[in-house]
Formats: sequence, structure tokens, C-alpha cells
Amino acid sequence: QSALTQPASVSGSPGQSITISCTGTSSDVGGYNYVSWYQQHPGKAPKLMIYDVSNRPSGVSNRFSGSKSGNTASLTISGLQAEDEADYYCSSYTSSSTGNVFGTGTKVTVL
Amino acid sequence: QVTLRESGPALVKPTQTLTLTCTFSGFSLSTSGMCVSWIRQPPGKALEWLALIDWDDDKYYSTSLKTRLTISKDTSKNQVVLTMTNMDPVDTATYYCARLCVVGAAYYWGQGTLVTVSS
Repeated sequence: QSALTQPASVSGSPGQSITISCTGTSSDVGGYNYVSWYQQHPGKAPKLMIYDVSNRPSGVSNRFSGSKSGNTASLTISGLQAEDEADYYCSSYTSSSTGNVFGTGTKVTVL
Repeated sequence: QVTLRESGPALVKPTQTLTLTCTFSGFSLSTSGMCVSWIRQPPGKALEWLALIDWDDDKYYSTSLKTRLTISKDTSKNQVVLTMTNMDPVDTATYYCARLCVVGAAYYWGQGTLVTVSS
């Protein structure tokens, strides 16, 4: 299965909002509401930020929100903070392999 | 609480078979709905889902790697084992196990283990 497509990098100033896109197909993102988003700081394991398109696990800041339209899912970070600087990955169930597929990853830089 | 920990060799030679073990606690793979996945990440690159096994011993593999992968579980030891045959330098990566099913998301991850493939 092919990786989901994300922009390589997104940047913003503290306090601003940014949005990361995740584009797939009707076999994954577009066909199911099983899109997740992960945050990964250097040398650390990924951390779940959003599941099932728009749900936040307990303990995750409400500055993080998720949505989906067609074959593209999005993660929005509002009120950008220095600690948000990290790599972000989307993931989705895919019927192509009856498994999971990750995105290409986006590096978020806080200016 | 739920924890997962990967173990295995740090260095393997090309063409060898890699065997990784995920030892977990805080849940049982004999409980309905439970699963463990393997995911890898080459240095500086993206995450790649490899395989998963569920409570019913159903197994799912990445389409691109399925001929090289075998996943199994030992419920009594709370362990999941992944074998990958015919290792190549491009398989150099940090390998993670996570509690991740076919659908859903991975809230729990291991810390990862770096495997280098080199002669």
C-alpha cells in the first residue's frame, strides 16, 4: 500500500494556527473514519494526538483538532507553542492490505 | 498500566533473518479486541506499518513486505514475535511495537529498538 501524502514541512509563529493535510484514497482516508494523528519528538516514540478523525485522547490539549473531507484529513494546531515543534504523522486503516498505512510525515517548525 | 518493550539484536548481517520480541504488560492478547502491531522507522524517515496479530490469532501484513514477515504470539508469556527474512541494509530502522489493531489507533508504544543491517 502507498503511504499517505503529507507536506514535508509546515511552519508558524507562536500563537498562530497551522493545518497539516493528509491525502489518501477511497481505500483508506476517504473510505473510513479511522484516521489518527501522531506527534513525534526527536528520539522518542510517537504519541497519539487524534483518533477516529477528530477525537482527542485524554490529556491531549484541545489546541489539537482533526477533520476530514473526502480523501483528505487535516490536523490543526491552534495557539502554536514552542513545544509543538515536532514531526507529525497521519495514519489510516486501509482496505488495500486490511491493515494500516502511515503518512509521509510533516515537520512542524515554530518560528 | 500498559507497557510494551522491544528486544532483539542491534546488528544483523545482510541476508540474515531478524527476530524481534515485544514483551508487554497491562493487557492480555487472549482478551477480545486486543492486538499488537509492529512499525518501523528508518533513520530520518517516516513510520511504516509492518504487521499485526490479534486476540483471535488473525494476522495481517504489509502488502510490500508480506513475503518476508511472520508474526506470532505467546499468550502465556505476553510476547509477540516478528521475524523478517533476508535482511538488507535498507531495513536499518528503529522497530516499534504498539497496541494497534486493524482499526483504531495506537495509544501505547514501546520505546523502539534500533536494528542496523551491515556486514
